[in-house]
Amino acid sequence: NAGVTQTPKFQVLKTGQSMTLQCAQDMNHEYMSWYRQDPGMGLRLIHYSVGAGITDQGEVPNGYNVSRSTTEDFPLRLLSAAPSQTSVYFCASSPGLAGIREQYFGPGTRLTVT
Amino acid sequence: GNSVTQMEGPVTLSEEAFLTINCTYTATGYPSLFWYVQYPGEGLQLLLKATKADDKGSNKGFEATYRKETTSFHLEKGSVQVSDSAVYFCALSIYGGSQGNLIFGKGTKLSVKP
Repeated sequence: NAGVTQTPKFQVLKTGQSMTLQCAQDMNHEYMSWYRQDPGMGLRLIHYSVGAGITDQGEVPNGYNVSRSTTEDFPLRLLSAAPSQTSVYFCASSPGLAGIREQYFGPGTRLTVT
Repeated sequence: GNSVTQMEGPVTLSEEAFLTINCTYTATGYPSLFWYVQYPGEGLQLLLKATKADDKGSNKGFEATYRKETTSFHLEKGSVQVSDSAVYFCALSIYGGSQGNLIFGKGTKLSVKP
C-alpha cells in the first residue's frame, strides 16, 4: 500500500518559472490538503479539497493553484515561482473531516527558488 | 482566532529521561487535539489524539491529557529513547470549522543522547 506519494522529492526553480507538485493517494480518501513547512513556522495550510471537484483556500493560498479532478490526485501548481516560496511542501489525505480523522502525510517535496 | 502554542526547542535529553513538551491552545469552539511526530527526512505521523475534555491519548509510551480548564495538551513520556529523536507538533481542529482543518504549533525538536 503506497499511501500518499509526492513527486518530485527535490526541485530547484528560477524566479518566475512555473511547476506542478504532484500528490496521489491510493486510500480512497475524500479529504486532501497541501501544507508548507518553514523553519520556526510549523505547518501552514495552502489549499484543501473535501472531494473531487471541490477545493478551497487555506491560510496561505497566494501564488498557488489546485484542482481535484479525481479522488486520487491533488496537484499543486506554482504559477510564477518566487524566493518566498522556498519551503518544504507536504500533501496529506484523510478519510473524513481532517481534524476528526487521522491525516496521512506524504514524504514531502523540498523546493528551492533562486 | 484558533491557535496553538508549544514550547520552543530544541530539547536535549539523555536516554531514559522524563519528557514533557508543553502545548496550550486557544479555540473558539470545542477542539480535537493532536500530537504529530516528524522523524528526520519524513512526513508527519499521528502520534496520539484526544477529542474531548479529560480524554487521554496514548501511543508508544507517550501520553497527553486534554485539559479544558487550562486549555492544555502537554505531551509526556516516562523514559525516552534515542529513537524518539524527532520534531513534535501539537495541533487542533474545530469540528465543522473549515471542514476540520488542522492548525499546528511551530514544532519542538527533541534530541535524545545515548
